[in-house]
Amino acid sequence: GESVGLHLPTLSVQEGDNSIINCAYSNSASDYFIWYKQESGKGPQFIIDIRSNMDKRQGQRVTVLLNKTVKHLSLQIAATQPGDSAVYFCADAFSGTYKYIFGTGTRLKVLA
Amino acid sequence: NAGVTQTPKFQVLKTGQSMTLQCAQDMNHEYMSWYRQDPGMGLRLIHYSVGAGITDQGEVPNGYNVSRSTTEDFPLRLLSAAPSQTSVYFCASSSYGQGLSNEQFFGPGTRLTVL
Repeated sequence: GESVGLHLPTLSVQEGDNSIINCAYSNSASDYFIWYKQESGKGPQFIIDIRSNMDKRQGQRVTVLLNKTVKHLSLQIAATQPGDSAVYFCADAFSGTYKYIFGTGTRLKVLA
Repeated sequence: NAGVTQTPKFQVLKTGQSMTLQCAQDMNHEYMSWYRQDPGMGLRLIHYSVGAGITDQGEVPNGYNVSRSTTEDFPLRLLSAAPSQTSVYFCASSSYGQGLSNEQFFGPGTRLTVL
C-alpha cells in the first residue's frame, strides 16, 4: 500500500544548530508535499509545502527539498530554537484526489 | 475568524453507542477532512469532502459516516462505537484546486475513548 515513512523517530539537536528531518514517500503519483509541526495536545500546524514541479522551497528559517527520483523529502530548520521542539510530520497527496498520506512523525528535541 | 472548530473536546462512549463529532469552519474552504491519530503515530485520513454534497473515503473509513450539506459543516458519525475507535480525531479544511494554497488548517481535536 501507499506509505510515507520517516528515517528517524527522534532527533536531538543543540540550540542554534541546523536540523534536518527526512521523509520517504512511496506513491509515484504524489505531486504535493507538506510538512506539519505538532505540539503536544494541539492539532498539526502547516509549516511549508512544495509541488512536484519544484525541488526546493524556502520559508522563514525552513527549507523543503524534494527529490522525486528517490521519492525523498526533507525539512531543514536553520538556527533551531527551543520553540521548534515538537513532532514533525510529512504528508503527500496527488492533486487529483487530495487523499493525504501522513508519515509517522519525527520528534525534534532542542537541547539548551 | 474562528478557523476550524471541533466539538466536543473529550468524549467517553460505551461499546455500541453512537455519536457525532462536529466540525465547522468559517473560511469558506471547499475541502474538509477527518483524521484519526493514534498514540505515537501519524494522522490517517478517514473521509474527506471537496465541496457540499461531495464526500469520499480516505484510508480508514470503516465504522464512520460523513455528510456535507453545507460548506461550513462536516460532521463525523460513529454508528456503533468500538474500542478500536479510541483515538484523537482531527478535522481540517483548506482551499481546493491548483493554483491555490492548499494549506490545511486543523481543529484542536476531539479525544474519544470507547470502553
